[in-house]
Amino acid sequence: QKEVEQNSGPLSVPEGAIASLNCTYSDRGSQSFFWYRQYSGKSPELIMSIYSNGDKEDGRFTAQLNKASQYVSLLIRDSQPSDSATYLCAVSLLEGAQKLVFGQGTRLTINP
Amino acid sequence: IAGITQAPTSQILAAGRRMTLRCTQDMRHNAMYWYRQDLGLGLRLIHYSNTAGTTGKGEVPDGYSVSRANTDDFPLTLASAVPSQTSVYFCASSDESGANVLTFGAGSRLTVL
Repeated sequence: QKEVEQNSGPLSVPEGAIASLNCTYSDRGSQSFFWYRQYSGKSPELIMSIYSNGDKEDGRFTAQLNKASQYVSLLIRDSQPSDSATYLCAVSLLEGAQKLVFGQGTRLTINP
Repeated sequence: IAGITQAPTSQILAAGRRMTLRCTQDMRHNAMYWYRQDLGLGLRLIHYSNTAGTTGKGEVPDGYSVSRANTDDFPLTLASAVPSQTSVYFCASSDESGANVLTFGAGSRLTVL
């Protein structure tokens, strides 16, 4: 079992709708959780981080963490074509990115 | 513009040849990392360095070596390239305050024939 699992997609969502991206992880000791966005042919960029159970909102993005169920999700409200990208979930046991484990990414397409 | 510079952008290499991918950052970040990204496998850590003068092995270190002579530079060397090392390589860095927050370079696409 991979340590961090994501549905590779592609996930297709109409413009203006809510896109929901999910990620599960295997290590119950995980402490830090991140969502990176990667446009095709480009490098990943951090869009959200979350460290405690519950929701964290930043503009149109909401990260949700449930440590008991070992999942973290990313909601994108009012989806725009510019949100079309691959979204990488990353999970860390400890401080220090050498402990950061990435999922394989979910490819999201927003249809105008 | 502050950030990470990787070179070359793209390279085709014959198997058995030696290759060094260069990475330079100007943000004075202590920690630097090398990842490879393959379709369906996501990003996998090859080697890392928490500070100048120290390095460590990541998830997939075999066939690769690194050095960290100073804060800014973190080259990745393939001593004798093999086709399975065909991949996109990303260099990244992080500062101490946001140790898990990575800044990535633009990537180097390497093809080994």
